[in-house]
Amino acid sequence: EVQLVESGGGLVKPGGSLRLSCAASGFTFSSYSMNWVRQAPGKGLEWVSSITSSSSYIYYADSVKGRFTISRDNAKNSLYLQMNSLRAEDTAVYYCARDRQQLATTDYWGQGTLVTVSS
Amino acid sequence: EIVLTQSPATLSLSPGERATLSCRASQSVSSYLAWYQQKPGQAPRLLIYDASNRATGIPARFSGSGSGTDFTLTISSLEPEDFAVYYCQQRSNWPRTFGQGTRLEIK
Repeated sequence: EVQLVESGGGLVKPGGSLRLSCAASGFTFSSYSMNWVRQAPGKGLEWVSSITSSSSYIYYADSVKGRFTISRDNAKNSLYLQMNSLRAEDTAVYYCARDRQQLATTDYWGQGTLVTVSS
Repeated sequence: EIVLTQSPATLSLSPGERATLSCRASQSVSSYLAWYQQKPGQAPRLLIYDASNRATGIPARFSGSGSGTDFTLTISSLEPEDFAVYYCQQRSNWPRTFGQGTRLEIK
């Protein structure tokens, strides 16, 4: 069974940093591209970033480019999102999600971790 | 950036009725469109990928159609558990984008 478990969310002040982690199990992590998608409270879904299986290709939404960094450790079956210079508008539930094939449709999602940016 | 526009914003129907949800793209996305269902407090669930392919375990009452810029998600006969928010997403171009969602509510 595919499992994705996010951690690392919490309350942070504007301008602060946070690192999210996603532990993957139930599939061969190193063979799949992965994503972060967020959802502000009461709002729709927003794609944040994607990374290919070997980290060769990385993509970011304009809203986070230069502030967020996606990475992965295939030996640890883990995906990360380093978030710097956080803003109030970054407040959201952050989901870790797998693509069904390399850069194909996103199929499995974790339950999310809440990031709140507030003074 | 490709903008996806979903309509209607809210759809009020009764169990047993047929639901038709629309997603229109600002430019062609070929068949690279997916549909997701999200219930309150839950993560999204993949229903349809590449416009018309049902994901694993998705009931046959869900079907997708379309290509280019116009897509449709059809639920042939609504079950009580189908009332939720539905999103479309394109993977044709970066950035990947989502529609704003259609809320399917019980009439």
